[in-house]
Amino acid sequence: EDKVVQSPLSLVVHEGDTVTLNCSYEVTNFRSLLWYKQEKKAPTFLFMLTSSGIEKKSGRLSSILDKKELFSILNITATQTGDSAVYLCAVEPMNYGGSQGNLIFGKGTKLSVKP
Amino acid sequence: ETGVTQSPTHLIKTRGQQVTLRCSSQSGHNTVSWYQQALGQGPQFIFQYYREEENGRGNFPPRFSGLQFPNYSSELNVNALELDDSALYLCASSFGGGIIGDEQYFGPGTRLTVT
Repeated sequence: EDKVVQSPLSLVVHEGDTVTLNCSYEVTNFRSLLWYKQEKKAPTFLFMLTSSGIEKKSGRLSSILDKKELFSILNITATQTGDSAVYLCAVEPMNYGGSQGNLIFGKGTKLSVKP
Repeated sequence: ETGVTQSPTHLIKTRGQQVTLRCSSQSGHNTVSWYQQALGQGPQFIFQYYREEENGRGNFPPRFSGLQFPNYSSELNVNALELDDSALYLCASSFGGGIIGDEQYFGPGTRLTVT
């Protein structure tokens, strides 16, 4: 069965710290891996990764994918209280169970940044 | 502002009742996917509608059904509600059926509570 596992499930840090969130996956036919930030309700898109070893960056956030070891990390440097959220990792398989383009999500990592 | 809207925002129902949730997709999008997110869990794929046809389904029983209208808005219907149906229901719109990746935008969700 296809699955996505995130760790840790929760994390408490102080402003200015650097954090690394982990995502491992087992998917029969991999298409892409996506990271989302969920603050209250709607997940908002952060990154899409399709190729190994190519880092994606956006400000203080960065992410990289290892398709050989089947994992991805999301790094946040110089954390701020506004980074407090649940970070979701999802894998988009190809032709999963007959459907097209659905996402398989992990449980998320709840990040709390203290002032 | 993603342009995806959902109604209602919150809903309280009694076990055994039926519920209809609504989603208006972003302008130009013809695909709507529905997800169920239980407390502390990642979103789980329910089904996807593409050009008014069901285009794939996750592991949910038949009492979860849907519709997509000519304007590409969508409804999720749940019959014979159970306590475990209590969750945040998210819809996401995109264009092109099987292509999701970074082109899928989530709505704010409907919080359903079944008592």
